Amino acid sequence: SAVISQKPSRDICQRGTSLTIQCQVDSQVTMMFWYRQQPGQSLTLIATANQGSEATYESGFVIDKFPISRPNLTFSTLTVSNLSPEDSSIYLCSVEYREKEKLFFGSGTQLSVL
Amino acid sequence: GEDVEQSLFLSVREGDSSVINCTYTDSSSTYLYWYKQEPGAGLQLLTYIFSNMDMKQDQRLTVLLNKKDKHLSLRIADTQTGDSAIYFCAVTTSGTYKYIFGTGTRLKVLA
Repeated sequence: SAVISQKPSRDICQRGTSLTIQCQVDSQVTMMFWYRQQPGQSLTLIATANQGSEATYESGFVIDKFPISRPNLTFSTLTVSNLSPEDSSIYLCSVEYREKEKLFFGSGTQLSVL
Repeated sequence: GEDVEQSLFLSVREGDSSVINCTYTDSSSTYLYWYKQEPGAGLQLLTYIFSNMDMKQDQRLTVLLNKKDKHLSLRIADTQTGDSAIYFCAVTTSGTYKYIFGTGTRLKVLA
């Protein structure tokens, strides 16, 4: 299985600020995904990040609010911009190993917006 | 689009078996998964099954797949207090990179 390091593990932010979440994988992967898990809810895919190209966003998510970087095959960042209390969620980085058709997750970032 | 449904809660006594159920709508789903999420943690892949299989056993875990009814279940034998968590069912179709997650079932194990 993959070792996926995600940080910060939690943060409390003020309204209007931004938070950048980092995701580091122990081996090169083509596809990296960012999910949001709102309180008591299931997971919703925010975007798919490929190295060397712009991220692909799901319906309801836009680049201005959730800019993503993918500078190499082992690292990605997700920024949640102009924070509001509605952004309070767990944000999860995940990777897929194509040869095994499995999705592995980081430990998540618990974001609280005051 | 694809929809994956689970019951929200399940409570069992320690030592009993737990059965967590999941239904999905897309008959082209090729891979089906069970994940476990403990408080404050990410999702841990527990087990998975390919759509051409009916059953898979992995130590205390048994996965049953009924493709006709689009029904997936996870049985945990000899349930322990450490099994208390939220369990998510997920499905994907080969080559799509899209994983659809269920609503999650919160399992509570009573000592």
